[in-house]
Amino acid sequence: SQQGEEDPQALSIQEGENATMNCSYKTSINNLQWYRQNSGRGLVHLILIRSNEREKHSGRLRVTLDTSKKSSSLLITASRAADTASYFCATDARSGYALNFGKGTSLLVTP
Amino acid sequence: DAGVIQSPRHEVTEMGQEVTLRCKPISGHNSLFWYRQTMMRGLELLIYFNNNVPIDDSGMPEDRFSAKMPNASFSTLKIQPSEPRDSAVYFCASSEGGPRSPLHFGNGTRLTVT
Repeated sequence: SQQGEEDPQALSIQEGENATMNCSYKTSINNLQWYRQNSGRGLVHLILIRSNEREKHSGRLRVTLDTSKKSSSLLITASRAADTASYFCATDARSGYALNFGKGTSLLVTP
Repeated sequence: DAGVIQSPRHEVTEMGQEVTLRCKPISGHNSLFWYRQTMMRGLELLIYFNNNVPIDDSGMPEDRFSAKMPNASFSTLKIQPSEPRDSAVYFCASSEGGPRSPLHFGNGTRLTVT
């Protein structure tokens, strides 16, 4: 069953702009992960944030987690054309084994 | 590190035929996952192995699907008989510590059943 849902479904920006994607989920989690998928390729892990963390940074990526609202956001700063991809959030429900993925946000960065 | 290796990359078959998808996880990873991706349903977990033992196969659609992991370096997903609705991209992923660790995905097998 899918737990994470990303918003928006699609996002188009110009190089240099920031891109923000949101993820909402339904049940309590241990951690939340963000992945990127380029066309025709497998998913690549970007960042993992634990349920007791509120914010995490990795290079141009900034992830926030609000467990009270059951939501997370991924911010990509100073975007580049190479950031064009689909971005997925994934959650592991405390009661289950599965890492559940949303349907993703499709990001297009134009030069 | 070669990453997770899947074969074949593309498979086109006729309805009713048997299809076998293969996966070699990253050496040292003790968890292996098979996912299926479609536009309609997104990414769905099919089965999860830990130390070569199936832990959760509740996502396997029906008896036509079976998965094995005979050793730590190889897994197969078999569909017999295949149906057009099985058309999807099938991903294998591995991790060091189950679903709460980062997953490393292969590049997938695109299956088309005509």
